[in-house]
Formats: sequence, C-alpha cells, structure tokens
Amino acid sequence: AQSVTQLGSHVSVSEGALVLLRCNYSSSVPPYLFWYVQYPNQGLQLLLKYTSAATLVKGINGFEAEFKKSETSFHLTKPSAHMSDAAEYFCAVKSAAGNKLTFGGGTRVLVKP
Amino acid sequence: DTEVTQTPKHLVMGMTNKKSLKCEQHMGHRAMYWYKQKAKKPPELMFVYSYEKLSINESVPSRFSPECPNSSLLNLHLHALQPEDSALYLCASRWGARGSSGANVLTFGAGSRLTVL
Repeated sequence: AQSVTQLGSHVSVSEGALVLLRCNYSSSVPPYLFWYVQYPNQGLQLLLKYTSAATLVKGINGFEAEFKKSETSFHLTKPSAHMSDAAEYFCAVKSAAGNKLTFGGGTRVLVKP
Repeated sequence: DTEVTQTPKHLVMGMTNKKSLKCEQHMGHRAMYWYKQKAKKPPELMFVYSYEKLSINESVPSRFSPECPNSSLLNLHLHALQPEDSALYLCASRWGARGSSGANVLTFGAGSRLTVL
C-alpha cells in the first residue's frame, strides 16, 4: 500500500519569505508523486508532478519540488511567498500501474503581509 | 477543451430525495474518478472507472451509485442520503493510456457541494 504524510497541517509565512511544505511517502514500488493546490470553494489544481524523470521538478506559480529516494521525501518549495499563495496544498501518491491516487492530510498556507 | 465540468455546483436535498451529480470531460480521458471531500480534510477516493468499467469501489455505501454511460460522462446517483454525507464531491479524469507523460495526471473539476438536510 502506498501513502503520503504531510508534516504540519498549517504553515504561516511572511510575504516574500521561503515557503517549505513537507511530504514523505511510503511505497513498495517507485511511485508517482504530485502536489496539488486547492483555493477556497474550488477543485484541485496540479502544481507539479514527479514521474521518474528529473528529481528536481519545476511547477507552476514558481513552485518546485525535489524527489529524494533516500529520504522518501518530496518537499515543495517556493523562494518568495506571495499573498496569492494562501491556499490548501496536498501531496499525493500513485503507483505506476494502478488507478488509485492517495492524498496526504493537506497543509494550509497562510501568508502574512 | 482541457476541463472537467461538474454540475450542479450546489445541491441541497432531503434524506428521502433522489438526485444525481454529473461530470463531463472531452479530453479523451479513459479513467474517471469520484472523490468525497469533507471540510478541512483531504479528498477521499470513492469510485474509479477505467474504460467505462468500474475498477475501484472503496466500500462506498449503496446509497451512492456511480454510472459511466460513455467515455465522456460520469454520474453519481444519490438516494436516501444522510446529513453526514454533506460534502464537496469532486470528479477527476486522466488519460489512462500507458506510455504517455500525462497518463498519470488527474485533472479535477470544481466540485459539487452537497448539503443533505
């Protein structure tokens, strides 16, 4: 079975500061990993994905994530937070062969002016 | 067209009503999903259809009945729901064909917010 754990249900950052959201995965086979963002009362939007190509993945809105197999991690970063980054962020894992996409518990980001 | 369209956006129903949620995509995706999301929680998988056949049912109560009439359309029929079924219901789709870089990426709709009175 595969799963992801997001450390920290809430993160508060100042505008212009580094955003770091942590995600660790558990999978018996090489996984596909994703970060999605959800704004209030909306669906989920894909930020970026890792699908066994480059370990450093760049996504939309200035976000990037690094896949570290030795640490079973896929942390999401953005060098400089913007007010529009306030949202809920979900890490998710999927096996290459299966249909199931499983989400972590989510991290709510608050950006202070 | 790169969207998943869900209707209605909001639905209020009584416990004895029968209603349906609808999801449509025209991206040629062959796998379609229903997720349930309670407030301040992650989405929880309910059903997956692959090539119009039900491939995953996460032990969902029978008061929820999925239907995939064709490759573009996914319905969720609701009957005799309980107040605790109130949630945001999200539909998603993905290409599903192996060998494509986008095959494993799910595209989500905006959701249908259901309130059961």
